[in-house]
Amino acid sequence: ILNVEQSPQSLHVQEGDSTNFTCSFPSSNFYALHWYRWETAKSPEALFVMTLNGDEKKKGRISATLNTKEGYSYLYIKGSQPEDSATYLCAFGSDYGGSQGNLIFGKGTKLSVKP
Amino acid sequence: DTGVSQDPRHKITKRGQNVTFRCDPISEHNRLYWYRQTLGQGPEFLTYFQNEAQLEKSRLLSDRFSAERPKGSFSTLEIQHTEQGDSAMYLCASSSRTGEQYFGPGTRLTVT
Repeated sequence: ILNVEQSPQSLHVQEGDSTNFTCSFPSSNFYALHWYRWETAKSPEALFVMTLNGDEKKKGRISATLNTKEGYSYLYIKGSQPEDSATYLCAFGSDYGGSQGNLIFGKGTKLSVKP
Repeated sequence: DTGVSQDPRHKITKRGQNVTFRCDPISEHNRLYWYRQTLGQGPEFLTYFQNEAQLEKSRLLSDRFSAERPKGSFSTLEIQHTEQGDSAMYLCASSSRTGEQYFGPGTRLTVT
């Protein structure tokens, strides 16, 4: 059974704090690792798709790294703002059996940023 | 194109009734996915289509669930004889081949 773990489950920080989350995934049959940001009552928003070991991606104050050999990814938010409050989901894409279709999601990290 | 849309956004139904949800993907995307999210869990894969062909189905998709994508454009997900355990957020996503999956806002189903 393929399992994706995210930690912490929730995080409360003050505006201006920097923070990071962890996503652990199977290191075999790796195809891609996705990060999504999901605000209440909105669609999950794609942040990053990473496919290569050692990948680092950045979008504004948010960045992510990928280690496929050991099966983990980190998401960093620099100088958190209240509008960063959301649930951050990671999802593992496997090519097991030639399938590159479905994603296996973690439970998410719920971030609350206090002004 | 404004993205993936889903209809309805909310549905309340009584146990035993049938419900149908619709998903309109991004127009140039040939892949369409259905996921279900229950409280405290991440989204779980249900099924996906490439054009009109249903290529993969999860064990979560019991016989009461059926999904179609008749012309390779929009898709419907039907749940027959709903049970309280079917209460969840049903998410649809679309992608180009091997591309990023873009999600709709979901349909929240409550079975009373």
